[in-house]
Amino acid sequence: GQQVMQIPQYQHVQEGEDFTTYCNSSTTLSNIQWYKQRPGGHPVFLIQLVKSGEVKKQKRLTFQFGEAKKNSSLHITATQTTDVGTYFCAGHASGTYKYIFGTGTRLKVLA
Amino acid sequence: NAGVTQTPKFQVLKTGQSMTLQCAQDMNHEYMSWYRQDPGMGLRLIHYSVGAGITDQGEVPNGYNVSRSTTEDFPLRLLSAAPSQTSVYFCASSFWASGNEKLFFGSGTQLSVL
Repeated sequence: GQQVMQIPQYQHVQEGEDFTTYCNSSTTLSNIQWYKQRPGGHPVFLIQLVKSGEVKKQKRLTFQFGEAKKNSSLHITATQTTDVGTYFCAGHASGTYKYIFGTGTRLKVLA
Repeated sequence: NAGVTQTPKFQVLKTGQSMTLQCAQDMNHEYMSWYRQDPGMGLRLIHYSVGAGITDQGEVPNGYNVSRSTTEDFPLRLLSAAPSQTSVYFCASSFWASGNEKLFFGSGTQLSVL
């Protein structure tokens, strides 16, 4: 079945450092979404990428969708303490309704 | 705007007991789904539905039943609870159209099975 892996599992950074998490799917995805979950909270939608090679930016966050639509990345520039949380990618293969989540990357930012 | 409402927030069960986790959404979303979240395992899809009367299995369906009699409600049933079902459960819903498949999550149910 479809599997979605994320690396790293954990990342500790000093405030102001950059952070990147990578997402890899075993199957080609129809689209990719990214979510953020604060400690004790529920996942909250950040962005959706649909096109092969697509790049989108939200302030300090940059999202990329790979050319083969099997991988994606999230890069945060100059992290802040408000960036703390777990970041998940999620996607479904074309023709299916199974929205599979990645294993997540837990980010801690040290002030 | 309530969004996705899950009840209860916390529940403790004994092995073998049954219970239903409730999920309701008021956004007229076609797609509804249940996930469980365990440490280091991310969110795993249990069951999902693309409309009233239509349900299907996700990655980890064993031990769980669902039904979708209305667009708004998607309850998750544990017929005979086991300690392995101790987890945090999230319900999520969305429209199902290209470019608008943003999942809205409920606040979660923390379930402990003793």
